[in-house]
Amino acid sequence: DAKTTQPPSMDCAEGRAANLPCNHSTISGNEYVYWYRQIHSQGPQYIIHGLKNNETNEMASLIITEDRKSSTLILPHATLRDTAVYYCIVRVTNDYKLSFGAGTTVTVRA
Amino acid sequence: NAGVTQTPKFQVLKTGQSMTLQCAQDMNHNSMYWYRQDPGMGLRLIYYSASEGTTDKGEVPNGYNVSRLNKREFSLRLESAAPSQTSVYFCASSENRGNQPQHFGDGTRLSIL
Repeated sequence: DAKTTQPPSMDCAEGRAANLPCNHSTISGNEYVYWYRQIHSQGPQYIIHGLKNNETNEMASLIITEDRKSSTLILPHATLRDTAVYYCIVRVTNDYKLSFGAGTTVTVRA
Repeated sequence: NAGVTQTPKFQVLKTGQSMTLQCAQDMNHNSMYWYRQDPGMGLRLIYYSASEGTTDKGEVPNGYNVSRLNKREFSLRLESAAPSQTSVYFCASSENRGNQPQHFGDGTRLSIL
C-alpha cells in the first residue's frame, strides 16, 4: 500500500467547513483513497472513498487532485460531534488489509 | 440498523485463560475481519475471512484462532491469553472484495493481567 501523510492535528470552528488534507504521492493506478474517522472509544467509521473522481455523500466530500497525489476531505458544516481522529488510507483493489496510520486529530470548537 | 455487533464490550482475563470474542453482522456481507488496536498505534489485521468457509492470516495472527461460523458470525479465540494481548479488538465486515469499504463494530476492550 502507498504511504499517506496527514497533519497530526487541526482545529475547526463549529459550523464552518473543515478541510482535511492528505498526501499520497506514491499512489498506484489501482489504489483507492478511503477516509475513516474514529471518535473516542468507538470503532472506525467509514466516511467516503474514491479512485480519481470527486465524490460526495451525506457525510462529506472527497476531492482528489488530477494527478491523484493528494486529496482533501471536506466536512461541509463541522459540528462538535465531528471531533475525532480522521484517517486517510490508500488500498489496492482486492487487498483485504486496511493500513491505518496516525491520522489527523480534528477538534471542532464552539 | 445494528451493523456489526461485538460481544462482550469489556473483559478482564488472567494470564493463561482462554476466551472467545464474538462478532456478528447483519448486512449480508461476505467478508469479515478481526483487528487489534494498541495505544498510539493504528489497527493491525489479525485474521480475515473472505467468504463463509474460508479464513486467512493477517499481519499479527500468532496467539489467535478464528472461526467463521456462518455468513453472519466470525469469532476470535485466545487459547492462552498473554498480557501482550491486552488491546482493543475490532471486528469489521465488507460486501466482497474489490473497493467496497469495511464497516466496524465498536470493539471489545480486553485486559489480561
